[in-house]
Amino acid sequence: GQNIDQPTEMTATEGAIVQINCTYQTSGFNGLFWYQQHAGEAPTFLSYNVLDGLEEKGRFSSFLSRSKGYSYLLLKELQMKDSASYLCAVRGDRGSTLGRLYFGRGTQLTVWP
Amino acid sequence: GAGVSQSPSNKVTEKGKDVELRCDPISGHTALYWYRQSLGQGLEFLIYFQGNSAPDKSGLPSDRFSAERTGGSVSTLTIQRTQQEDSAVYLCASSLSGGESGETQYFGPGTRLLVL
Repeated sequence: GQNIDQPTEMTATEGAIVQINCTYQTSGFNGLFWYQQHAGEAPTFLSYNVLDGLEEKGRFSSFLSRSKGYSYLLLKELQMKDSASYLCAVRGDRGSTLGRLYFGRGTQLTVWP
Repeated sequence: GAGVSQSPSNKVTEKGKDVELRCDPISGHTALYWYRQSLGQGLEFLIYFQGNSAPDKSGLPSDRFSAERTGGSVSTLTIQRTQQEDSAVYLCASSLSGGESGETQYFGPGTRLLVL
């Protein structure tokens, strides 16, 4: 089966840095995605990792270690608008599961002033 | 261009009734996915269409659920004899081809289904 774990909730203050961890155990791996989802809205793409290492995009960075089945999303200079749910998703291996994403339950981040 | 659109945005129905949910993918995207998001749960894969290939239906929870995609574009998810446990947000996503590992899936706003 597929198992993707991430913390349920996190809180942080404006201007701070927060790291959201994700661990995964899947039968195949073909990339890891992070999505942001504001309440009542569609998930929006943040980042993608398929090789080990850090990918940086402005205030957001994502890290992957395939040997450890581990990723994190790093958010810097937090803003109130960053309050949202952050979804970790693993793409299935090529073959029968190609295309589908396996999602964690999401981490609800609350940013306080 | 326009993103993924879904209709209706909200649907309230009575237990035992059938419902149809519609998804219009981004123009030119050949891959289309349906997911379900229940309260407190992660997104759950339901079905995947890729071009003219047979769809991957392995995520459909029961035979009350079915989906079709007409003309390689619009898709309809049908739930027959709805049950209260079907209450969830049904999300549709599309991607360019579905064949590349890094290809992003773009999500629609979802249909919030409540079965009374």
